[in-house]
Amino acid sequence: QQQVKQSPQSLIVQKGGISIINCAYENTAFDYFPWYQQFPGKGPALLIAIRPDVSEKKEGRFTISFNKSAKQFSLHIMDSQPGDSATYFCAARSRSKIIFGKGTRLHILP
Amino acid sequence: EAQVTQNPRYLITVTGKKLTVTCSQNMNHEYMSWYRQDPGLGLRQIYYSMNVEVTDKGDVPEGYKVSRKEKRNFPLILESPSPNQTSLYFCASSPRTDPGELFFGEGSRLTVL
Repeated sequence: QQQVKQSPQSLIVQKGGISIINCAYENTAFDYFPWYQQFPGKGPALLIAIRPDVSEKKEGRFTISFNKSAKQFSLHIMDSQPGDSATYFCAARSRSKIIFGKGTRLHILP
Repeated sequence: EAQVTQNPRYLITVTGKKLTVTCSQNMNHEYMSWYRQDPGLGLRQIYYSMNVEVTDKGDVPEGYKVSRKEKRNFPLILESPSPNQTSLYFCASSPRTDPGELFFGEGSRLTVL
C-alpha cells in the first residue's frame, strides 16, 4: 500500500524526442506527488510536483500527467536534451512521509 | 548559501565499529530525514524528524539510530555497522512538517567491510 511503482528502470531517447516515465500507486491517502532529478554525485532535487486535484501541470519542457481514478501519474520531457540525462524519481507523500519510486535512469543520445 | 551539509562524504569502516554521519541545515527547517539509496531499490527512508526531540521510523530503521537535540542537526548513528549497511546515504530537510519540497545534501557513501 505504501509503494510507488516506477517504470521503466532505464530509458534511452534521441535528442529532441519525448521521454516518458510512469508511476503507479495504491494508497489513496497520498496527497502530493513530486518528481526529483538526480545527477551523478549529487543529491536529488525537486523538478516538478502535482496535487491529486489537478490532472496536468506543465513547467517548461516538463509535464506531469495525473490520473486519479487509475492511480497513475507520469512525467513527460518534451524536446529531450543531453543535459536531461539523469536519474528521475517519482514520489508520493502521506502525512509526514515521502515514498520514492525505484528510479529511472534516462540517457539522451546527442 | 542555503544548504544541507553531510559529513563525512566518504567512509570505509569495518563491521562493528560505531560511526556517526552528521547532517546540518542552515535554513531553519522543521523537518529532517535520512534516506539510503541502493541500486535498483531507489531511495528508502530510514528515520525522520518533525521537530526537536521528535523522531519517527521510516521504512528501513533497523540498525540505525538518530537524535534531534537541535533544530539544525540530525545525526545518523550506526551503533554496530554491518556489510548490508554499505550504501549511499542522503540527509534531507523541508520547511514544513508535511514535507513539500525536500532539500537534499550531497550524500555520504559508506562502505562496511
